[in-house]
Amino acid sequence: SAVISQKPSRDICQRGTSLTIQCQVDSQVTMMFWYRQQPGQSLTLIATANQGSEATYESGFVIDKFPISRPNLTFSTLTVSNMSPEDSSIYLCSPDPVRDHTEAFFGQGTRLTVV
Amino acid sequence: AQSVAQPEDQVNVAEGNPLTVKCTYSVSGNPYLFWYVQYPNRGLQFLLKYITGDNLVKGSYGFEAEFNKSQTSFHLKNPSALGSASALYFCAVRDRENTGFQKLVFGTGTRLLVSP
Repeated sequence: SAVISQKPSRDICQRGTSLTIQCQVDSQVTMMFWYRQQPGQSLTLIATANQGSEATYESGFVIDKFPISRPNLTFSTLTVSNMSPEDSSIYLCSPDPVRDHTEAFFGQGTRLTVV
Repeated sequence: AQSVAQPEDQVNVAEGNPLTVKCTYSVSGNPYLFWYVQYPNRGLQFLLKYITGDNLVKGSYGFEAEFNKSQTSFHLKNPSALGSASALYFCAVRDRENTGFQKLVFGTGTRLLVSP
């Protein structure tokens, strides 16, 4: 399985500010998935990031709020912009599995608290 | 569109007793099914999966899950619960027929509490 490093592991941020979360994988992956886990809830896919093209966002998520970069095949960032307390969540990255029947692996997550 | 239902928010079981965590799914075609576990302040860890073949799949720490196509279920089981198994469990599905990127859809999660 890929080794996935996610930074920061946690942060407490002031409302109105932005936080950029980094995800580094030890092997090249075609696509990177970004998920959000709100307190006490399940994981929801935010967007899928493909190198060299704009990320594809799920319903309810927009690029202005969650801009994503994918500069190369081993790295991606997710920015949470103009934060409000409702953005307090765990954010996780997950590289695209090699095969569709392969299990997905996840970064340790970034626990974000907005005050 | 695919979906997953975990009808129980929480399952309580005494240590040493058998446990079941329920999961039902809906996909347009045939599914790939997964169970993940999340311990407090930890990321998601893969537990087991169903791809094809034998309906009973085995994972770590005595966990197993049974795929039932007619009931569209993939319940997680353990014949003897350990206290260390107390955690949040997520069922997830990927549509085998989906030719797009391999998106996982998660259930709402079930908290397992194993008491001494």
